[in-house]
Amino acid sequence: AQSVTQPDIHITVSEGASLELRCNYSYGATPYLFWYVQSPGQGLQLLLKYFSGDTLVQGIKGFEAEFKRSQSSFNLRKPSVHWSDAAEYFCAVGAGGATNKLIFGTGTLLAVQP
Amino acid sequence: DTGVSQDPRHKITKRGQNVTFRCDPISEHNRLYWYRQTLGQGPEFLTYFQNEAQLEKSRLLSDRFSAERPKGSFSTLEIQRTEQGDSAMYLCASSLSNSGSLRASTDTQYFGPGTRLTVL
Repeated sequence: AQSVTQPDIHITVSEGASLELRCNYSYGATPYLFWYVQSPGQGLQLLLKYFSGDTLVQGIKGFEAEFKRSQSSFNLRKPSVHWSDAAEYFCAVGAGGATNKLIFGTGTLLAVQP
Repeated sequence: DTGVSQDPRHKITKRGQNVTFRCDPISEHNRLYWYRQTLGQGPEFLTYFQNEAQLEKSRLLSDRFSAERPKGSFSTLEIQRTEQGDSAMYLCASSLSNSGSLRASTDTQYFGPGTRLTVL
């Protein structure tokens, strides 16, 4: 069965520092992968997605992610974090088939220190 | 494009009461999803509509839950005889299928702000 693991529950970084959030997936075929961000009390906003092609994907707000099939990973990165990036980040894999429902990880809560 | 909207944003109810939530998808999106998110967890799939047809339901969706999308536009999610375990954020998402059929597609789901349910 498909699954997503986000090993880091909580990460704190200083403003201006670089960021990498880890995501590992389990999926039999070529996965459709997503990163969403959720601010407190809000819904999910799509940051970026990978379907095929170039394994380095650019998203909104200066985020990027790299798909590594050999490591079953899709880590999210940002070179310089801003205080407004503090939020919860969810990695998800599309379950495929006609539904293409999303299977989410448990999320990583990002705190940004001034 | 006004995005996905959900109503109400917050609902507090007493155990045993019935509640109904509404979701208005992005116009012309033919797919609509409901997810549930409990504290400290990622969203979990509940059910999915392609136009007005409900095509898949999760085992999480007990008999007390029912969802409809009568005209293929907005959708409602009703919970009967609420229990404290139903307390969660209920998220709706919509997408435009690009496969033209029921086959797997690469459509992207856009989420609404959610309805937070508290059952006392």
